[in-house]
Amino acid sequence: QVQVVESGGGVVQPGGSLRLSCEVSGFTFSSHGMHWVRQAPGKGLEWVAVIWFDGSKKYYADSVRGRFTISRDNSKNTLYLQMNNVRAEDTAVYYCARASGHFDYWGQGTLVTVSS
Amino acid sequence: EIVLTQSPGTLSLSPGERATLSCRASQFVTSRFLAWYQQKPGQTPRLLIYGASTRATGIPDRFSGSGSGTDFTLTISRLEPEDFAVYYCLQYGGSPPWTFGQGTKVEI
Repeated sequence: QVQVVESGGGVVQPGGSLRLSCEVSGFTFSSHGMHWVRQAPGKGLEWVAVIWFDGSKKYYADSVRGRFTISRDNSKNTLYLQMNNVRAEDTAVYYCARASGHFDYWGQGTLVTVSS
Repeated sequence: EIVLTQSPGTLSLSPGERATLSCRASQFVTSRFLAWYQQKPGQTPRLLIYGASTRATGIPDRFSGSGSGTDFTLTISRLEPEDFAVYYCLQYGGSPPWTFGQGTKVEI
């Protein structure tokens, strides 16, 4: 069955960096685009970034463009989100989700807390 | 950017009642690329509907989606106790960014 597992969350100081990972199994990772979506405490869902199945295209929300980088390693079935120069407003649960047009499979999320 | 506005913000109903949730887009949504998700506290969003009206695998038929263009609706025909949750719409058509509505809470 499909499994999506995020990791790498934690507490980071404002201006610091963190790299999130998302390891998948149960489907052909190299055939699907992948998204990152986040949810601040008590708030709604916010799309963050997407990467095409082969890594050829990447798009970002305005709120993270220039600070976050999405990437993937198809040999490891793993998606990444490099978060640099983080801000308090980046505090959220970060989910990765498979792109099938809509977002069909989601991980359980990893919590990032930006605090000094 | 396509802005999705969900209404109402909160829907107070009883088990057995019908729930009608609205999602209005600021621009035309290409090819009905509109999905609905259910989220319970502490849980991952669960896909209910995609393509505006296609139920995802394993979703009960009391959930139905309709609409096109800029106006979309999620209907829960008879609320079960497990249906009390927050519901989000998502548009995934055309160009980025993909956008979610702000959510509708269905409460008892």
